[in-house]
Amino acid sequence: EADIYQTPRYLVIGTGKKITLECSQTMGHDKMYWYQQDPGMELHLIHYSYGVNSTEKGDLSSESTVSRIRTEHFPLTLESARPSHTSQYLCASGSQGAGNEQYFGPGTRLTVT
Amino acid sequence: RKEVEQDPGPFNVPEGATVAFNCTYSNSASQSFFWYRQDCRKEPKLLMSVYSSGNEDGRFTAQLNRASQYISLLIRDSKLSDSATYLCVVNWGNNNNDMRFGAGTRLTVKP
Repeated sequence: EADIYQTPRYLVIGTGKKITLECSQTMGHDKMYWYQQDPGMELHLIHYSYGVNSTEKGDLSSESTVSRIRTEHFPLTLESARPSHTSQYLCASGSQGAGNEQYFGPGTRLTVT
Repeated sequence: RKEVEQDPGPFNVPEGATVAFNCTYSNSASQSFFWYRQDCRKEPKLLMSVYSSGNEDGRFTAQLNRASQYISLLIRDSKLSDSATYLCVVNWGNNNNDMRFGAGTRLTVKP
């Protein structure tokens, strides 16, 4: 069973607010990922990281930023929330030597009013 | 053409049935392939990796056809607990960190 945690699990916030979604894993995985998923739709990669101080953008990253100061922690920040950001945000991690398998956290369900 | 395409279903089958899902992918350079399972309002969980030679894990069999760029998942002797959405996942070309997900195929197994 994967040990990857996300907080908050649910968040309702007003337009224009700055939000940070937290993700932590205790498996020592080098690789971490953020995905966005709307109901019934595919996951879209927002950002990923190979390791400490390394981050890369996915195909849906333009309105958010990430940091990787510690191996176990990979927070996602939205500088100014908009209703179009309403979605499920899933964090995942994986080991370099594990054949690209990814283990997902329980997700944060974000609603921007 | 979608990057990873799946029949959305739903597939409604009785317990004990055999059901097969297909998935096509558009990037011929892709090298890693997976099936994930996602229960309603839950996170995806890895079901199995898909190897070139095909692989089996209990009631589940995965196949890869590189020439036609599709992968398949076969579930034998379906159980009620198999009801879920099955996601096809493919790495994007040579980038092993950029995984593309299909929208999933929904399966409901009925008593």
